[in-house]
Amino acid sequence: AQKVTQAQTEISVVEKEDVTLDCVYETRDTTYYLFWYKQPPSGELVFLIRRNSFDEQNEISGRYSWNFQKSTSSFNFTITASQVVDSAVYFCALSHISSGSARQLTFGSGTQLTVLP
Amino acid sequence: EPEVTQTPSHQVTQMGQEVILRCVPISNHLYFYWYRQILGQKVEFLVSFYNNEISEKSEIFDDQFSVERPDGSNFTLKIRSTKLEDSAMYFCASSPPFRGSNQPQHFGDGTRLSIL
Repeated sequence: AQKVTQAQTEISVVEKEDVTLDCVYETRDTTYYLFWYKQPPSGELVFLIRRNSFDEQNEISGRYSWNFQKSTSSFNFTITASQVVDSAVYFCALSHISSGSARQLTFGSGTQLTVLP
Repeated sequence: EPEVTQTPSHQVTQMGQEVILRCVPISNHLYFYWYRQILGQKVEFLVSFYNNEISEKSEIFDDQFSVERPDGSNFTLKIRSTKLEDSAMYFCASSPPFRGSNQPQHFGDGTRLSIL
């Protein structure tokens, strides 16, 4: 069985602060995908990143960066110099890698990030 | 960029009524999914669909639920006799057929279902 834990239910920061959202996962698969999605107040799910389990290189995209550590089963997400528009619920998700078959996502419970002006 | 389209954006239905949620996946995608998100909770997998049959389903997807791909473009979720606890946002998603694809699942904007 797969499980994704986002222990931080809510985080509030002041604009321009850095913030890290934690994600810990459990899976019996040796290869898998990890994802982060953003859900703004309008409700849609916005894809942010996908990471393969065999690629532990950290990634940076503008103000966003991701720290994948297979040894601790964590895939943390950092927003640098946060902005009010970053306010949203952020979901971490996991899927198995199985070429040629459906790959359902297991989501964490989400972290509500509020960036105050 | 191609998108997954869901209609309607908001559906209000009386308890006990049947409801059909519609989705148009991205045209060259072969795998289709429905997820549910009860207000304030996490997104939960309901069902995946491939080659005109259910691939996997969760415990939530009981006999009240069914999915169908009636033509080459639409993918529907039917709830036969709605209950109050079916009130949620329902997301459709699709993913492409490529082996080891880097493409994630593409989500629609969701249909908010309100059961009265």
